[in-house]
Amino acid sequence: QTVVTQEPSLTVSPGGTVTLTCASSTGAVTSGYYPNWFQQKPGQAPRALIYRTSNRHSWTPDRFSGSLLGGKAALTLSGVQPEDEAEYYCLLYYDGAQLRVFGGGTKLTVL
Amino acid sequence: EVQLVESGGGLVQPGGSLRLSCAASGFTFSGFWMTWVRQAPGKGLEWVANINQDGSGKYYVDSVKGRFTISRDNAKNSLFLQMNSLRAEDTAMYYCARGAGADYWGHGTRVTVSS
Repeated sequence: QTVVTQEPSLTVSPGGTVTLTCASSTGAVTSGYYPNWFQQKPGQAPRALIYRTSNRHSWTPDRFSGSLLGGKAALTLSGVQPEDEAEYYCLLYYDGAQLRVFGGGTKLTVL
Repeated sequence: EVQLVESGGGLVQPGGSLRLSCAASGFTFSGFWMTWVRQAPGKGLEWVANINQDGSGKYYVDSVKGRFTISRDNAKNSLFLQMNSLRAEDTAMYYCARGAGADYWGHGTRVTVSS
């Protein structure tokens, strides 16, 4: 059973910077896992933010950036805004990109 | 504008069946993989299944293999999820999403499995 692990919760001050990570139970996350990141606010459907490690969608603010960091996928928010308070999920691809597994999510509080 | 509209959810008894639909518009449906994702109440996202452009490739999370079937009708721009032998743990909001990477999402349809 493949498990993708994220920090359960993080807190950041407005204007600050925070990094969320995404680890795989199978070992180091590489670009071959095609890391994707999603944001979900209460009562709303998820919204895609980042695909294939570091590519922003056209609607993704440039304060969101994706990378690989220390064997994990990472999502960094710079100049955090109050509206960034949300749950964030990573998604990794497995088995030749046929299967997908979401991380458990990180609840980001802006305080 | 890309739109995905799910339907077909509801209350069903354990062991029962439901067929979810997702109507797609605003893009060339036949050119994209499609994905179903679910979210149990108060829980995180769970990838359920996806299907390639012509329906010849279908992939499932282990917990639904043999019970759920994903399919599509490219002529009608529609995605489906046939759910059989439903269990209480299948209770969730079910979302359809465009592409293998889920770039656009619908608003979801709620499935409740309970006696």
